[in-house]
Amino acid sequence: SQQGEEDPQALSIQEGENATMNCSYKTSINNLQWYRQNSGRGLVHLILIRSNEREKHSGRLRVTLDTSKKSSSLLITASRAADTASYFCATFQGGSEKLVFGKGTKLTVNP
Amino acid sequence: GAGVSQSPSNKVTEKGKDVELRCDPISGHTALYWYRQSLGQGLEFLIYFQGNSAPDKSGLPSDRFSAERTGGSVSTLTIQRTQQEDSAVYLCASSLFLAGGSTDTQYFGPGTRLTVL
Repeated sequence: SQQGEEDPQALSIQEGENATMNCSYKTSINNLQWYRQNSGRGLVHLILIRSNEREKHSGRLRVTLDTSKKSSSLLITASRAADTASYFCATFQGGSEKLVFGKGTKLTVNP
Repeated sequence: GAGVSQSPSNKVTEKGKDVELRCDPISGHTALYWYRQSLGQGLEFLIYFQGNSAPDKSGLPSDRFSAERTGGSVSTLTIQRTQQEDSAVYLCASSLFLAGGSTDTQYFGPGTRLTVL
């Protein structure tokens, strides 16, 4: 079953604008991770936020985590055309080592 | 250092044939994962190896799928009697196994795009 569900499914913005993607999950977690995928190939790990953290920054990325609502958001500030990709959140399922991904948000940044 | 590598990058095969997909994890990573991504879909967990422990095969979709990991390093995913619905990108990932029984960030390879005609 899907552990993480991202929304929106697709997002199209202009270069320079901010992009916000949301993720909801179902069970308790130790951490939540965000990945980026270009052109349907390998995933790149972006950021990991632990369950005892509420916000984390990495460059132009800002991730928040609300464990009471079982949700996370990924904000990309000052977007660039190169940010065009699909973004996935992922969590470990049921204390196992299986990383469960949502179906992703497809972000298009128009120059 | 070198990342996770996979070969071949693309594989086209005929229905009914067997295929082998290879994954070379990052050196020193004891955990290795296989995932499948069908067109427009999220990633589906297939199998997980950790050290010498029995692999977690709970995600394998049928008994046509099998995987092994030799010497705790390279892994091969084998699909026997391929079907058209097996067409997908097969992704491998590796990670460190941390003290306390958890794993670290998973690092993904570029994937193998399998097309079954």
